[in-house]
Amino acid sequence: DQQVKQNSPSLSVQEGRISILNCDYTNSMFDYFLWYKKYPAEGPTFLISISSIKDKNEDGRFTVFLNKSAKHLSLHIVPSQPGDSAVYFCAGSSGYSTLTFGKGTMLLVSP
Amino acid sequence: DADVTQTPRNRITKTGKRIMLECSQTKGHDRMYWYRQDPGLGLRLIYYSFDVKDINKGEISDGYSVSRQAQAKFSLSLESAIPNQTALYFCATRASGGDQETQYFGPGTRLLVL
Repeated sequence: DQQVKQNSPSLSVQEGRISILNCDYTNSMFDYFLWYKKYPAEGPTFLISISSIKDKNEDGRFTVFLNKSAKHLSLHIVPSQPGDSAVYFCAGSSGYSTLTFGKGTMLLVSP
Repeated sequence: DADVTQTPRNRITKTGKRIMLECSQTKGHDRMYWYRQDPGLGLRLIYYSFDVKDINKGEISDGYSVSRQAQAKFSLSLESAIPNQTALYFCATRASGGDQETQYFGPGTRLLVL
């Protein structure tokens, strides 16, 4: 049973436009969500997070939105840059214990 | 220098062999984790440790064992490697306490079991 779902395996966006990556979850006990970015041959790196008591968190070009009633979160990247091309993982956590990751979405930003 | 290091970075082994993947960290974190990544399956948790005396199984612990030799070192062993353990393995660390859930990952070990 997948607790964190990233239903789009890939996304292609033109440079300068907005990238929207989506994530759905089923575990109501999740109280913290994170997005990680991964380049080939490197480990995942932390990008941005959001607590379940908030519905939005912003950090520069990156914004994460959380809709608890829909059990849905999204990552917005504006404007998208070629260097943003990577695999993005969504993860949920409950009780400061472990992270449950989605399968990832590969973002390709073309010049 | 990297905060989380993994050795080896690449390893080829044969079915039935015992191998060990090592992870070291200089972040001073209490919590350490081992994940594997397979194409299309994301990151799945194998084992985790909240301190030297605390070891916990993750989602996919069968066929693996771990050792937390010190706060800074967490090793993953495959007692008898099999081909479906071919994957990318990541170690991660996290500070305990506070409200930060962020885990910090090493560069990964690419393992091929023939």
